[in-house]
Amino acid sequence: DAGVIQSPRHEVTEMGQEVTLRCKPISGHDYLFWYRQTMMRGLELLIYFNNNVPIDDSGMPEDRFSAKMPNASFSTLKIQPSEPRDSAVYFCASSSSPGLLNTGELFFGEGSRLTVL
Amino acid sequence: QKEVEQDPGPLSVPEGAIVSLNCTYSNSAFQYFMWYRQYSRKGPELLMYTYSSGNKEDGRFTAQVDKSSKYISLFIRDSQPSDSATYLCAMDTGRRALTFGSGTRLQVQP
Repeated sequence: DAGVIQSPRHEVTEMGQEVTLRCKPISGHDYLFWYRQTMMRGLELLIYFNNNVPIDDSGMPEDRFSAKMPNASFSTLKIQPSEPRDSAVYFCASSSSPGLLNTGELFFGEGSRLTVL
Repeated sequence: QKEVEQDPGPLSVPEGAIVSLNCTYSNSAFQYFMWYRQYSRKGPELLMYTYSSGNKEDGRFTAQVDKSSKYISLFIRDSQPSDSATYLCAMDTGRRALTFGSGTRLQVQP
C-alpha cells in the first residue's frame, strides 16, 4: 500500500492567495483527519470525517478554512484568503474502525509545508 | 490550560542511556493512550498503544499509564542514535480523534 498521499509537499504563497491541500487516504480506511503542526501549538486537530461525512470541525480556526471529502479516496483542505499565521505543516491521516486485530491507529502522510509570505 | 502537557525538551542523552518521556493530562475521559514517533520532516508513526492503567513492554520500549495521577510515561532502554526523533504522546476518549502533546525532541549521541 502506498500509504497516505498528500500534495503539494511544499507550498509558498503570498498573503491573500487561495491555498488548496490535497489528501488521498489509505484504501479501505473510513476515517480521515486533518491536523496542523506548528512549533508553538504542536499538532492540532482541525477536522475529521467518517465515511466522507464531517464529524467534528471545531478545530477549524475560522471561516477562511474549509475541508471537503467528495469521495472515499480524496479530501481537500482550503484556505482562502491565506495569512502569514497559517504557515505550518498540515498533515492528513487516515484510519479504519477498530476491530479485534487493530487499534484504529492513525496513519499519517508526510505533510504539506505551507509558507505564507 | 492544554488538555495534554508534554515537556518539549530537547533531551540529549548518550547512546545506551535509559530515556524517560512523560505527559500529563487533565481530561479524565481519555481511555486510550499512545506514543507516536516523528522523524524530521516526516509524519508521526505509532510506536506504542495502551488501554487502561498499567505497563506495556515492546522490545526496548515500555509504556506506563497511571490514570489516577493522569500521567503517562515512555521508557526507552539502551537508547540508540536511531531513536533520535520527536516523541508525541496522544490520547483518545473513544471518539477516534487523537489529542496530542506538543512533543519531546530526543537526541541520542553516539
